[in-house]
Amino acid sequence: KNEVEQSPQNLTAQEGEFITINCSYSVGISALHWLQQHPGGGIVSLFMLSSGKKKHGRLIATINIQEKHSSLHITASHPRDSAVYICAVRSGGNQFYFGTGTSLTVIP
Amino acid sequence: GAVVSQHPSWVICKSGTSVKIECRSLDFQATTMFWYRQFPKQSLMLMATSNEGSKATYEQGVEKDKFLINHASLTLSTLTVTSAHPEDSSFYICSALRPLVPLAYEQYFGPGTRLTVT
Repeated sequence: KNEVEQSPQNLTAQEGEFITINCSYSVGISALHWLQQHPGGGIVSLFMLSSGKKKHGRLIATINIQEKHSSLHITASHPRDSAVYICAVRSGGNQFYFGTGTSLTVIP
Repeated sequence: GAVVSQHPSWVICKSGTSVKIECRSLDFQATTMFWYRQFPKQSLMLMATSNEGSKATYEQGVEKDKFLINHASLTLSTLTVTSAHPEDSSFYICSALRPLVPLAYEQYFGPGTRLTVT
């Protein structure tokens, strides 16, 4: 069993739709990251969360420490949002665990 | 914003040769850098943690004699794939921790290096 589980694995949405990607983890964490990886491979760190909620533009990330769950929301999705979104947790020191990613395709 | 660079962005080498990949934090000092490997359509796999001035910490199953890591300065870590084999072909990504305040940090990722061993 993976320490970090993401759902869905694949997601196709129409432009403008509200999108939610979920992440559950089974270890104690000091922080949770949401990463975005574009087809070329480059990775951008979208959010780092240890509690509550963060918002950046059309992106919102929430975390519930008690339930060991985080969600990434994209409002008014756009084709340029098409990418793989990866949930990663930092557990004690420098131990990182990664989800397998959610591949998002936004259709115009 | 903070930037992490990798060089080269892609490299092709012959079996048996060694390849060095550089990871640089361009506008901040990073005492800790990470090296990851990614196979097609899979998520990142942490290979090792690179700490400036000390030996790298390797994850279970990663051969430290094959993947040599040197973090000689606060802005540079290198990964050398020694005696490369075709199965070492992969996408290698580094990341660097930028300290914000005590006990807080931001993690920045490099653009990755695609290694093909023929």
